[in-house]
Amino acid sequence: AQKVTQAQTEISVVEKEDVTLDCVYETRDTTYYLFWYKQPPSGELVFLIRRNSFDEQNEISGRYSWNFQKSTSSFNFTITASQVVDSAVYFCALSEARAGKSTFGDGTTLTVKP
Amino acid sequence: DSGVTQTPKHLITATGQRVTLRCSPRSGDLSVYWYQQSLDQGLQFLIHYYNGEERAKGNILERFSAQQFPDLHSELNLSSLELGDSALYFCASSVEESWGEAFFGQGTRLTVV
Repeated sequence: AQKVTQAQTEISVVEKEDVTLDCVYETRDTTYYLFWYKQPPSGELVFLIRRNSFDEQNEISGRYSWNFQKSTSSFNFTITASQVVDSAVYFCALSEARAGKSTFGDGTTLTVKP
Repeated sequence: DSGVTQTPKHLITATGQRVTLRCSPRSGDLSVYWYQQSLDQGLQFLIHYYNGEERAKGNILERFSAQQFPDLHSELNLSSLELGDSALYFCASSVEESWGEAFFGQGTRLTVV
């Protein structure tokens, strides 16, 4: 069975601080995908990144970066120089490679204060 | 705007009733996914359709059913509704058969009273 754990329920930072959201996963599959989604107060889910289990390269996109470590089954997400607009619930998710069965973590609520 | 349209946005109904939620995917997307988001259970995958065929099933109750039509829109039918079915139901679509860059609709807020 697949499982995704986001141990941090809530994080509060002051604007311009860096913040890392942790994600640990469990799966028996050798091929799988990992994702991060953002759910702002407006409610819709916004795709941020997908990572293939064979690709352990870290990725940077603007102020966002992701650290995938297969050895520790972790896929952490860092926001550099956080902004108030980053305030949202962030979900880490894991899916089978072939079909769309996915498992989401419980989410981390990030509050960035001015 | 993600391009995924869900109707209705809000629905209030009584226990024991049946409702149908509708999802129109983005143009060109063949995959449709349904999710349930509630406070106690979080975001739960329900079912995935690709080009009209069921591809994967998650924690979907027997009282719930879904289908994807030839024009690729999808409907989620919820019957014999219970108070615990109150939740936000999301639909997402993507081009790929596997879970990829999926675009979510704004959801249907179902309240069972």
